[in-house]
Amino acid sequence: GAVVSQHPSRVICKSGTSVKIECRSLDFQATTMFWYRQFPKQSLMLMATSNEGSKATYEQGVEKDKFLINHASLTLSTLTVTSAHPEDSSFYICSAPRNTGELFFGEGSRLTVL
Amino acid sequence: AQSVTQLGSHVSVSEGALVLLRCNYSSSVPPYLFWYVQYPNQGLQLLLKYTTGATLVKGINGFEAEFKKSETSFHLTKPSAHMSDAAEYFCAVSEDNYGQNFVFGPGTRLSVLP
Repeated sequence: GAVVSQHPSRVICKSGTSVKIECRSLDFQATTMFWYRQFPKQSLMLMATSNEGSKATYEQGVEKDKFLINHASLTLSTLTVTSAHPEDSSFYICSAPRNTGELFFGEGSRLTVL
Repeated sequence: AQSVTQLGSHVSVSEGALVLLRCNYSSSVPPYLFWYVQYPNQGLQLLLKYTTGATLVKGINGFEAEFKKSETSFHLTKPSAHMSDAAEYFCAVSEDNYGQNFVFGPGTRLSVLP
């Protein structure tokens, strides 16, 4: 079964609203989680690294105020897309490394902004 | 800096035929190499990985890959394709085994024809 879970798997929202996506590690603690964005028929692009107890580290070109990341506990990281616009529509994926070294990915969350 | 190229954005094979998905990488440090599979609207699932040791790595679902340092390649193969193998496949390189500095290739979509 999944060891990293994302919720919701699909979300549709109106332009201008904010949407929160959760990423949970189910059977291990993750001090670090990663958030990716995937455009149709393209690869994953790392957006940011979420760090428990400290600020997230954003990749170049990713707007910190647009994509708010909070790593509130050792098993939960959230990505909030603020004031969403149609161009924010995408597939968002999180991942978390277990202490064995293996990286586990969530199921992904498809955001559609109308 | 690391990079990954995957020759062929789309590969079609007949059921029962050999599957060969190509991956070449560049890395300034000894690389960790991964192959992931993604089914539609789902996250990524690890097929196999190379860290150190034996250069021929066996993974799940009958897939294997061989690390060839001289060719900077990590091609993915399966002797006999099954319909259920149809998916998107991503090669990735990392400087470590913990998910930091993961770089994904553009992906190869595998179609399996009956």
